[in-house]
Amino acid sequence: AQKVTQAQTEISVVEKEDVTLDCVYETRDTTYYLFWYKQPPSGELVFLIRRNSFDEQNEISGRYSWNFQKSTSSFNFTITASQVVDSAVYFCALRDVTGTASKLTFGTGTRLQVTL
Amino acid sequence: GAVVSQHPSRVICKSGTSVKIECRSLDFQATTMFWYRQFPKQSLMLMATSNEGSKATYEQGVEKDKFLINHASLTLSTLTVTSAHPEDSSFYICSARDMGIGRGTDEQFFGPGTRLTVL
Repeated sequence: AQKVTQAQTEISVVEKEDVTLDCVYETRDTTYYLFWYKQPPSGELVFLIRRNSFDEQNEISGRYSWNFQKSTSSFNFTITASQVVDSAVYFCALRDVTGTASKLTFGTGTRLQVTL
Repeated sequence: GAVVSQHPSRVICKSGTSVKIECRSLDFQATTMFWYRQFPKQSLMLMATSNEGSKATYEQGVEKDKFLINHASLTLSTLTVTSAHPEDSSFYICSARDMGIGRGTDEQFFGPGTRLTVL
């Protein structure tokens, strides 16, 4: 069975601080995809990144960066110089590639509050 | 590209009535769509996988007779909450899987969600 754990339920930071959101996953598959989504108060999921299990290269996109460590089954997300607009719930998700379903398993989410 | 719409975005209904939610892929064909439910301050839970032209596959614990899913075309799936009760009040989100040639990623694209309130 697949599982995604986001141990941090809520994080509160002051603007311009860096913040790292943790994600640990479990899967028996050797091929899988990992995702991060942002869910602002409006509710719509915003896709941030997808990483496949064979690509452990870290990625940076503006203030966002991701650290994929297969050895520890972690896919952590760092926001540098946080801004109030970053306030949202962030979900880490895992997708298998077995069969035809390609189901997504979501973590419980981390609520990030960035204050002035 | 890869836009998924949901209608309505918000609905309030009386207990005992049925509510239909539509999920459309606007610029791609989706042989598979997924329906999720999200209770306040909780994660998204997959309810069912909707396959065009065949019966939906429901996750364990989801009542198929209560949550009717129809995927009649490659761009439309509907979720009908029958005899809705207050405990069905939730945020319902669909996603559509793009299997188009050239995209190659077999990616899911999410709709904006439908907030259902049952009085």
